[in-house]
Amino acid sequence: EAGVTQSPTHLIKTRGQQATLRCSPISGHTSVYWYQQALGLGLQFLLWYDEGEERNRGNFPPRFSGRQFPNYSSELNVNALELEDSALYLCASSPARTGRWETQYFGPGTRLLVL
Amino acid sequence: TQLLEQSPQFLSIQEGENLTVYCNSSSVFSSLQWYRQEPGEGPVLLVTVVTGGEVKKLKRLTFQFGDARKDSSLHITAAQPGDTGLYLCAGAGYDYKLSFGAGTTVTVRA
Repeated sequence: EAGVTQSPTHLIKTRGQQATLRCSPISGHTSVYWYQQALGLGLQFLLWYDEGEERNRGNFPPRFSGRQFPNYSSELNVNALELEDSALYLCASSPARTGRWETQYFGPGTRLLVL
Repeated sequence: TQLLEQSPQFLSIQEGENLTVYCNSSSVFSSLQWYRQEPGEGPVLLVTVVTGGEVKKLKRLTFQFGDARKDSSLHITAAQPGDTGLYLCAGAGYDYKLSFGAGTTVTVRA
């Protein structure tokens, strides 16, 4: 069974540009989560999508946005890039909600560098 | 500030020694996960603990969840170089968000 996949693996942008990161969940998983892992800050929760809807978001400005497609894949968009957006962006997926906690499985991440 | 505090931040030991990593919070979690992350890869789940006081063993790794479901520990017996990595604890809130600790970098020298 294929795991969570993310593309691209690396992305270099300049300040003010926009970045688009993509994630494909494990087959059968309907929830997708996005996290930012910046140096020295640990993983910070960004967004959660389930069944095509945004269910929750972390403490990030509105220029961080995304969407989930009918096939449950997801896209994270970061507008007006700033230097401090440089980080590893991790996507995770989990099965459909059953009313209890479901394990999140992580992809390898996209490393974004903003110059 | 991190919702979960991990200690120590760095740990370097000799092969065969034991080590313990701590994860503490003032918040109560519905469950707590431990992950290991290697450079250039995403975190890989090691264990999920759900019940206060629960102890789980995974070969040489022992995980404990505090009675009040606010803290946890990871103990590795007879560490091996393959145990080297970044160990992360993550607490699951009732809003389904995972809150991560900053991580403990473990280096096991051969």
